[in-house]
Amino acid sequence: NAGVTQTPKFRVLKTGQSMTLLCAQDMNHEYMYWYRQDPGMGLRLIHYSVGEGTTAKGEVPDGYNVSRLKKQNFLLGLESAAPSQTSVYFCASSWGAGRGYTFGSGTRLTVV
Amino acid sequence: TQLLEQSPQFLSIQEGENLTVYCNSSSVFSSLQWYRQEPGEGPVLLVTVVTGGEVKKLKRLTFQFGDARKDSSLHITAAQPGDTGLYLCAGDEGANNLFFGTGTRLTVIP
Repeated sequence: NAGVTQTPKFRVLKTGQSMTLLCAQDMNHEYMYWYRQDPGMGLRLIHYSVGEGTTAKGEVPDGYNVSRLKKQNFLLGLESAAPSQTSVYFCASSWGAGRGYTFGSGTRLTVV
Repeated sequence: TQLLEQSPQFLSIQEGENLTVYCNSSSVFSSLQWYRQEPGEGPVLLVTVVTGGEVKKLKRLTFQFGDARKDSSLHITAAQPGDTGLYLCAGDEGANNLFFGTGTRLTVIP
């Protein structure tokens, strides 16, 4: 029973390094999302996709890029990591916003 | 940026007590969802409410959507330690994504 799988679960980066977070879903959902969760600030939308080959900016897109080359995968890239990007990142997928999200278990990223 | 305010932010109660958490906004939502998140995990969907005034029950949890579809409440009867977690409400304005509240962190003490 997979659902939404995120890799890696933990990562420590040095300032200026780059990395890619991978999200994979096996539910054939059209919509996929990347959120970050910080203490006291809740879940904030970074980027989202409404279908294969499409992406759109969310509330806090600066410093991040995404790609949705295959329907089941949604990649989040950090080109030059900054300490302000230390956070827990969650991927989610759905049939549509009103249909409820299925979340992955998160990636805890620390930038030093 | 839409604002979904949840209250209280923190709640610590004894096992067996009842509690209510609130989710308020100035925006009208086509639906509102409640999630529970446990430490180290992603949020898990509990319920979706769609109609103004709607009440849904999930065992000891009762969810209500306000008549004007701007607010919602979650009532837990006879809380148990397994109810401990972060409760998040999320509103759907009919766009492509949900707006999440900042959450209520509930601790149920045995």
